[in-house]
Amino acid sequence: QQKVQQSPESLTVSEGAMASLNCTFSDGTSNNFRWYRQHSAKGLEVLVSIFSDGEKEEGRFTAHLNRANLHVSLHIREPQPSDSAVYLCAVSMGLLSGSFNKLTFGAGTRLAVCP
Amino acid sequence: EAAVTQSPRSKVAVTGGKVTLSCHQTNNHDYMYWYRQDTGHGLRLIHYSYVADSTEKGDIPDGYKASRPSQENFSLILELASLSQTAVYFCASSERGFYAEQFFGPGTRLTVL
Repeated sequence: QQKVQQSPESLTVSEGAMASLNCTFSDGTSNNFRWYRQHSAKGLEVLVSIFSDGEKEEGRFTAHLNRANLHVSLHIREPQPSDSAVYLCAVSMGLLSGSFNKLTFGAGTRLAVCP
Repeated sequence: EAAVTQSPRSKVAVTGGKVTLSCHQTNNHDYMYWYRQDTGHGLRLIHYSYVADSTEKGDIPDGYKASRPSQENFSLILELASLSQTAVYFCASSERGFYAEQFFGPGTRLTVL
């Protein structure tokens, strides 16, 4: 069964400094990865989706995927206080998922951005 | 305008009581999902549906039933609520397809006393 772990559990950065979040997964056949942001008492907002090794940029958010190392990361450039939220990594277990995107989520990293 | 809505947004229920959580989507998506989120944990899939009048079990279906009376509506039913079902519940919808994006509702905070 897929296991997804995120680190660190919490992270505090200063406004404008780079924030880096990590996610490791256990199923090497996974090929569908997403980063979500969850503001308090709100739903999930997808930030970046990545399906192959390398880098994918969406505005200030960049995901790096290295499937050989079972690792995907999220880097937030010039974070703002409004980026303070919980960030969730979600991984799909590959072709065994069938016809829909069956996601396994990590527990999240709580990011605080200080002015 | 929000495409996935949930009601109620929060609820307090008594142990052994029946609870129904509702979800409505205007995305015209085939797939709908119910997840629960516990403090310090990621989301876990309870039930999902890919067509009206049909539901499928997810990873943690015990203690829950689901109903999909129409393409737009998907309900989660707790026949006998228990303390362990205190959590935040999220509904989502997506198109068919392995790479399809899931769109989430705002969540329902359920407290069982």
